[in-house]
Amino acid sequence: DIQMTQSPASLSASLGETVTIECRASEDIYNGLAWYQQKPGKSPQLLIYNANSLHTGVPSRFSGSGSGTQYSLKINSLQSEDVASYFCQQYYDYLTFGSGTKLEIK
Amino acid sequence: QVQLEESGPGLMQPSETLSLTCTVSGFSLTSNGVGWVRQPLGKGLVWMGTIWAGGSTNYNSAVQSRLSISRDTSKSQVFLKMNSLQPEDTGTYYCARQRQLYPYYFDYWGQGVMVTVSS
Repeated sequence: DIQMTQSPASLSASLGETVTIECRASEDIYNGLAWYQQKPGKSPQLLIYNANSLHTGVPSRFSGSGSGTQYSLKINSLQSEDVASYFCQQYYDYLTFGSGTKLEIK
Repeated sequence: QVQLEESGPGLMQPSETLSLTCTVSGFSLTSNGVGWVRQPLGKGLVWMGTIWAGGSTNYNSAVQSRLSISRDTSKSQVFLKMNSLQPEDTGTYYCARQRQLYPYYFDYWGQGVMVTVSS
């Protein structure tokens, strides 16, 4: 099974800052990676798929990059509504989620 | 619009069998997959399994021996059954629409149903 290691587990940043969340796969997943945002008390929402494709309606301050086993989610110009947990998910071989990153505003 | 809604009992006893229903609207079960994802309170997401448009299924190896996913296309419902429940099965269970073709991400999620396993 492919394991996904996500970091950091938690993150605190100021409004307007840029933050980056990382995900490492235990083997090459050939860009088969999605990122989800889960706001408190809500269900997850798709942000990014195929490592760098923005899902419909997602603000352009979100972006994804990476290849092979290393991937990242970047949020530019942090907004208050970005307070959430973020999860990566590989779908190259079955499905595995990362452990999540809880983002708070400083 | 696309909607998914989970339903089922909130409290279960250890060793019982959990039965959850996911009722969907706005899309066809014969054109899309539906997956189940569990989230223990305050923790991460775990894929449980998926039923595909053709009716075939894939399961997480960690629960495969206890889990069954089926559907009734005429009622637009997907069912999850998991036996031999343990307290560690406690959490919120989500159903989500999954792309039938690669890439297999989840693009719509239900609101989730909380299940507590306790004696």
